[in-house]
Amino acid sequence: AQKVTQAQTEISVVEKEDVTLDCVYETRDTTYYLFWYKQPPSGELVFLIRRNSFDEQNEISGRYSWNFQKSTSSFNFTITASQVVDSAVYFCALRGDRGSTLGRLYFGRGTQLTVWP
Amino acid sequence: DTEVTQTPKHLVMGMTNKKSLKCEQHMGHRAMYWYKQKAKKPPELMFVYSYEKLSINESVPSRFSPECPNSSLLNLHLHALQPEDSALYLCASSQEMVGASGNTIYFGEGSWLTVV
Repeated sequence: AQKVTQAQTEISVVEKEDVTLDCVYETRDTTYYLFWYKQPPSGELVFLIRRNSFDEQNEISGRYSWNFQKSTSSFNFTITASQVVDSAVYFCALRGDRGSTLGRLYFGRGTQLTVWP
Repeated sequence: DTEVTQTPKHLVMGMTNKKSLKCEQHMGHRAMYWYKQKAKKPPELMFVYSYEKLSINESVPSRFSPECPNSSLLNLHLHALQPEDSALYLCASSQEMVGASGNTIYFGEGSWLTVV
């Protein structure tokens, strides 16, 4: 079974604070893909990053960084020096590549991040 | 800017109306998706088309009827909807449905549907 857990429902920070969004996943697939999406109030789901199961390198993109740890089945997302424009719902998602999981993207329930000025 | 374009952005329809949501992508993707998202919930998969053929139907009621006229277009025909069908409908595409190269799904801005 595929499952993604985002335990943090809502997080509030003040601008310039660092914030980490947690994501824990479950899968029996040996090959799988993990994603983070950002959804501002306008509704669009904006793709942020994809990580393949066989690539455990962490990644940094500007103020964003991702920490993938297969040993703990986690794929956490850190925003450094947060800004008001970072306010959105962030979804972690998992995609398998075989059998009944084919073509399906399994989402966590999302974390609402609010950054106050 | 998203390369998946959805129209209309907002739609209000009565329960006896027939309307359609439209989606277009020009990335050469061969898989296209419809998702439904209710407030404060994650998106839920409705349909997947792969190479213009319906590959996945997640037991969606027949009042929702998808159509894929060609590899760039995806429609969702709506008829006799209920107020509980009010939601954000997201179209998405990926290079293919399977395989490492096709595993990033790109979403459009969504169509906000209200059924009255």
